[in-house]
Amino acid sequence: SQKIEQNSEALNIQEGKTATLTCNYTNYSPAYLQWYRQDPGRGPVFLLLIRENEKEKRKERLKVTFDTTLKQSLFHITASQPADSATYLCAFNQAGTALIFGKGTTLSVSS
Amino acid sequence: KAGVTQTPRYLIKTRGQQVTLSCSPISGHRSVSWYQQTPGQGLQFLFEYFSETQRNKGNFPGRFSGRQFSNSRSEMNVSTLELGDSALYLCASSFDAQGDTDTQYFGPGTRLTVL
Repeated sequence: SQKIEQNSEALNIQEGKTATLTCNYTNYSPAYLQWYRQDPGRGPVFLLLIRENEKEKRKERLKVTFDTTLKQSLFHITASQPADSATYLCAFNQAGTALIFGKGTTLSVSS
Repeated sequence: KAGVTQTPRYLIKTRGQQVTLSCSPISGHRSVSWYQQTPGQGLQFLFEYFSETQRNKGNFPGRFSGRQFSNSRSEMNVSTLELGDSALYLCASSFDAQGDTDTQYFGPGTRLTVL
């Protein structure tokens, strides 16, 4: 069955550095990947979507890459701030199927 | 535009009881999905409804059921509650433009505790 893994449960970095989160998938060829942010006690919030034919997508300080050969997506936050501390989830599906989420990586940015 | 709302926000039940959770999607959104989130398993898909029909279903026992009404509002029901059903239940809605990707807009969740 299809599987999605986020390699790190937790990532601690200093303010101003770039955070890089990894999402790997197996037994599947998703048409697109999505990244969400979740704060404690709240529902996930959509951040970015990248399609299989796109190598990179940017939004302000966020950047997502999608490597279909490596079956991997990388999520970068540049110039990280304490307010970026949250759990980040990746998810994938193909049209007409349900979204499958990874377990998330909890990012802590210290000042 | 108002976001996805879920009621109640918190619920405490005992084993063997049943519970009904409610979700109101964003106006104009036709698809509603339900997820269970626990620390050990993460976000797991329960089911999705579109135009009052269940379109997708996750790998959960039949004790978990749902429905969608003509105004797109949705309810999920869990019967014969077990301790392991304690979790955050999240509802998400999407516009579901055919042939395109759909991002999910999540509600704040219902925290269910089974004693």
